[in-house]
Amino acid sequence: GENVEQHPSTLSVQEGDSAVIKCTYSDSASNYFPWYKQELGKRPQLIIDIRSNVGEKKDQRIAVTLNKTAKHFSLHITETQPEDSAVYFCAASINNAGNMLTFGGGTRLMVKP
Amino acid sequence: DAGVTQSPTHLIKTRGQQVTLRCSPKSGHDTVSWYQQALGQGPQFIFQYYEEEERQRGNFPDRFSGHQYPNYSSELNVNALLLGDSALYLCASSSGGGVAVGQFFGPGTRLTVL
Repeated sequence: GENVEQHPSTLSVQEGDSAVIKCTYSDSASNYFPWYKQELGKRPQLIIDIRSNVGEKKDQRIAVTLNKTAKHFSLHITETQPEDSAVYFCAASINNAGNMLTFGGGTRLMVKP
Repeated sequence: DAGVTQSPTHLIKTRGQQVTLRCSPKSGHDTVSWYQQALGQGPQFIFQYYEEEERQRGNFPDRFSGHQYPNYSSELNVNALLLGDSALYLCASSSGGGVAVGQFFGPGTRLTVL
């Protein structure tokens, strides 16, 4: 089955700096890659997603890039703010499998003011 | 427009007992997936319900079972609870029979097994 690995497990940045989180996946049939943000004690929130027919997608300070050949995708957060502090999860899905998501292990992002 | 809701919020059970968790999907969604999230880990897929049937299942034993009702709400049942079943149980809803993407999670049920 699909295996998703995520790095780093923890990331500390200064407010205003950029943060990059990387994920690799194993199943070349995966074609949908969402990112979730989970604050302490709260539900995972979908923040951005990308499909395999797109190489990059942006939404304000957040961007995701996908390299299908290398089977890796990354989350980029620019101009980080203290409220960006949370655990971020990447995931992968094979659409024809009915949207089952395989998650990475998570990255704890700490933005220091 | 209500988002995904789950009940109860917290639950404490003892080993060997049975538990039922409930989920109401976001309005307009017809597909419900259940995930188990152990402390400090990513969610793990348990199974997905669409049109009142289990459509796909992750690597979980038969002690985990579910149901979906005609109004799309869903239940997760766990029998013969083990200490290792202690986790946050999340349900996520989506639309389009799962073909459409974008799963939205509920707040979860924190299950503690003593």
